[in-house]
Amino acid sequence: DTGVSQNPRHKITKRGQNVTFRCDPISEHNRLYWYRQTLGQGPEFLTYFQNEAQLEKSRLLSDRFSAERPKGSFSTLEIQRTEQGDSAMYLCASSLEGGQTGGRGKQFFGPGTRLTVL
Amino acid sequence: TQLLEQSPQFLSIQEGENLTVYCNSSSVFSSLQWYRQEPGEGPVLLVTVVTGGEVKKLKRLTFQFGDARKDSSLHITAAQPGDTGLYLCAGTILSNDYKLSFGAGTTVTVRA
Repeated sequence: DTGVSQNPRHKITKRGQNVTFRCDPISEHNRLYWYRQTLGQGPEFLTYFQNEAQLEKSRLLSDRFSAERPKGSFSTLEIQRTEQGDSAMYLCASSLEGGQTGGRGKQFFGPGTRLTVL
Repeated sequence: TQLLEQSPQFLSIQEGENLTVYCNSSSVFSSLQWYRQEPGEGPVLLVTVVTGGEVKKLKRLTFQFGDARKDSSLHITAAQPGDTGLYLCAGTILSNDYKLSFGAGTTVTVRA
């Protein structure tokens, strides 16, 4: 399977703990995105990378959140000092920009990581 | 405030019936996507439309992008229980072509 993969699929943690999620994009894709989805809502944009450069961060991404894509391949999203309001599905997506079949919004999503903060 | 408004929020129909889901905005989009999402899974891309007035068909699903590129519709003919899911529209605007703005989704239930 060559789709976007995310680990772990589920994470339960206590308030105040740190958590880290991993995303492996489709191998030839140069853009990687993080979104957050709460119950009854569509996904909301958090941040994105073009290769290894993080080019935009949403206002939703507080100082407790940090994302990296060190070699332009996989990415990690870390949440420090988790709060109950961080409980959500964290989705990763990737796309190929500049290619013949990619671009203009054609983002492919992974299965997500469901975070529950107790 | 969401950029894209979807209607209806919920739709329950009998197998074999037709349905239409609407996605509307006051903004102009450079592209618009439709996704389907199952519980506990990520959204799966169904179609991308980029040209005003464009119509795309995917088996029993017909997608239309409005002439002014501000709205879209998804029509399913002869719905089947396998069509059950959350349908999401998402668009990009020219100044932020990397960022998808999603609607809140339409939950479709097809009863056997």
